[in-house]
Amino acid sequence: AQKVTQAQTEISVVEKEDVTLDCVYETRDTTYYLFWYKQPPSGELVFLIRRNSFDEQNEISGRYSWNFQKSTSSFNFTITASQVVDSAVYFCALSEGGTGANNLFFGTGTRLTVIP
Amino acid sequence: GAVVSQHPSWVICKSGTSVKIECRSLDFQATTMFWYRQFPKQSLMLMATSNEGSKATYEQGVEKDKFLINHASLTLSTLTVTSAHPEDSSFYICSAMVGGVAKNIQYFGAGTRLSVL
Repeated sequence: AQKVTQAQTEISVVEKEDVTLDCVYETRDTTYYLFWYKQPPSGELVFLIRRNSFDEQNEISGRYSWNFQKSTSSFNFTITASQVVDSAVYFCALSEGGTGANNLFFGTGTRLTVIP
Repeated sequence: GAVVSQHPSWVICKSGTSVKIECRSLDFQATTMFWYRQFPKQSLMLMATSNEGSKATYEQGVEKDKFLINHASLTLSTLTVTSAHPEDSSFYICSAMVGGVAKNIQYFGAGTRLSVL
């Protein structure tokens, strides 16, 4: 059965510090997609990234970077030089199957607080 | 990016009444929309998958007669909570799936906070 684990329930960092949010997943499928979403206090989920199981290249987008390692079934998310606006709940999610069109299974989320 | 509008953002109703929540994809067509429920400080739980022109597919444990889903057009899906009770109070959030180049990414609405008195 599929499962997404975000062991860090809450993290607090001081502004400008780097922070890594961990995500470990379980699936029996050989093809799948992994996602990260951000949920600010306003409530809506903001799409950040999608990665398919065949692409293990790390990705960087501005202050955000993602490290996908199939060997450890992890898809970690790092924010460099954190800012107060980064304060939110971050969800990692898994979609099984080759199209990414299937249901999203979410982790329990990590609440990040960036202290000014 | 794709924009999903959800309305209302907050609703308070009396026990026994019905509440309709709308989910619209504003700048794209979505053959598939999803409805999730989120309890405070918890993750999102999928309630049902809504496909345009066909019946919704409900997850195990979700009462389809209580949570009516209609996906009558490629840009609109509605969730009606019938005969709402206090235990139905929750945050309901929809998503719409984008096809094309950004294929099969779910974009989410801002959610609806339902409080049943």
